[in-house]
Amino acid sequence: NAGVTQTPKFQVLKTGQSMTLQCAQDMNHNSMYWYRQDPGMGLRLIYYSASEGTTDKGEVPNGYNVSRLNKREFSLRLESAAPSQTSVYFCASTLRGQIIAKNIQYFGAGTRLSVL
Amino acid sequence: AQKVTQAQTEISVVEKEDVTLDCVYETRDTTYYLFWYKQPPSGELVFLIRRNSFDEQNEISGRYSWNFQKSTSSFNFTITASQVVDSAVYFCALSGTGANNLFFGTGTRLTVIP
Repeated sequence: NAGVTQTPKFQVLKTGQSMTLQCAQDMNHNSMYWYRQDPGMGLRLIYYSASEGTTDKGEVPNGYNVSRLNKREFSLRLESAAPSQTSVYFCASTLRGQIIAKNIQYFGAGTRLSVL
Repeated sequence: AQKVTQAQTEISVVEKEDVTLDCVYETRDTTYYLFWYKQPPSGELVFLIRRNSFDEQNEISGRYSWNFQKSTSSFNFTITASQVVDSAVYFCALSGTGANNLFFGTGTRLTVIP
């Protein structure tokens, strides 16, 4: 019962470095999401993929890119990391459009990223 | 636009006390969904409940209960006889129609003191 798996769990970058956060789900969900969590601000949507082959911007997309590699995997890339991107990143997935799924999003354990 | 307000930033209670976490939402959608998630100190987000906009029945699950009132745009969460394991940050969230992405409140940190 892996659910949503995120790697890595922790990462420290220097300003200007790039990295990719990986996310994979094994629940046959069609929609996947990337959120960031900052103190006092709750979670905010960065990008989402409603279905395989599509991606759309969320509330805070600047400085990020995403790739929906296949139905299972949705990666988030920081091309040139900035201190403002220090945050905890969560990936989530859901079976959108299916009443029985109730639009419930299931979350990974998070990636704690520090940009120095 | 979707918005969720959790006015209580932090709450502390003594074990076995009841506690209510408030959630007020704004949306123009006629069909929408409300959620509560728990984030324990370990950091993961745990789904607790989902309620859709056309079902105003209150729900009880063990020591947890939820009161959904469309008239006041509120979806409050009550923990009865709180326990130390209930200590966590609790998020209320809203999803409209469309992409189903969640709009989160800023969370309420609950500390249960033994």
